[in-house]
Amino acid sequence: GAVVSQHPSWVICKSGTSVKIECRSLDFQATTMFWYRQFPKQSLMLMATSNEGSKATYEQGVEKDKFLINHASLTLSTLTVTSAHPEDSSFYICSARDQGVSYEQYFGPGTRLTVT
Amino acid sequence: QQQVKQSPQSLIVQKGGISIINCAYENTAFDYFPWYQQFPGKGPALLIAIRPDVSEKKEGRFTISFNKSAKQFSLHIMDSQPGDSATYFCAASTNSGNTPLVFGKGTRLSVIA
Repeated sequence: GAVVSQHPSWVICKSGTSVKIECRSLDFQATTMFWYRQFPKQSLMLMATSNEGSKATYEQGVEKDKFLINHASLTLSTLTVTSAHPEDSSFYICSARDQGVSYEQYFGPGTRLTVT
Repeated sequence: QQQVKQSPQSLIVQKGGISIINCAYENTAFDYFPWYQQFPGKGPALLIAIRPDVSEKKEGRFTISFNKSAKQFSLHIMDSQPGDSATYFCAASTNSGNTPLVFGKGTRLSVIA
């Protein structure tokens, strides 16, 4: 149980285009999902907290107009990187908290974004 | 006060040995302490977690030791195997569904034969 999927697993896009990443909790409902960014050999950097049916809460320094987050259902959150630039190239990982088990948080497999 | 300090940054252990990774925190409101294992190119996987009402939790070869007064917790990997070679992250959070985990900087473990 407790599986989180992400799609796509990797994507290459041109500068100026937008990319959407999906995060799904497959076997549990998640009121809250989190989006992280990870650079090589570094820890996870929290970008935003996504709550079903409400606006996401962004961490300081994260541009909310650039990284659009939508949490339309209890099993799906999406991150859209708008007007992508090469510096947006990174490993994006989502996680979901099983609302039936208050603490445990499960991570997706990640999405490797490369902007050319 | 939100930080979780993790050490060492990297660790090399002989096969069959014990791997020990330590974490320290300041925020006394933290009451959930998980450890995650991450392989290159993959998302972190929940390994084991502890609440402050117990001082130790063991699952197979993995043990968390928790010292509430010292605000420290550690991961012990017994009989370390080459397949355990990965990056390990400690984390902490408070009792709230919306509260994100605060992560340590990670420890790169290499288990050599």
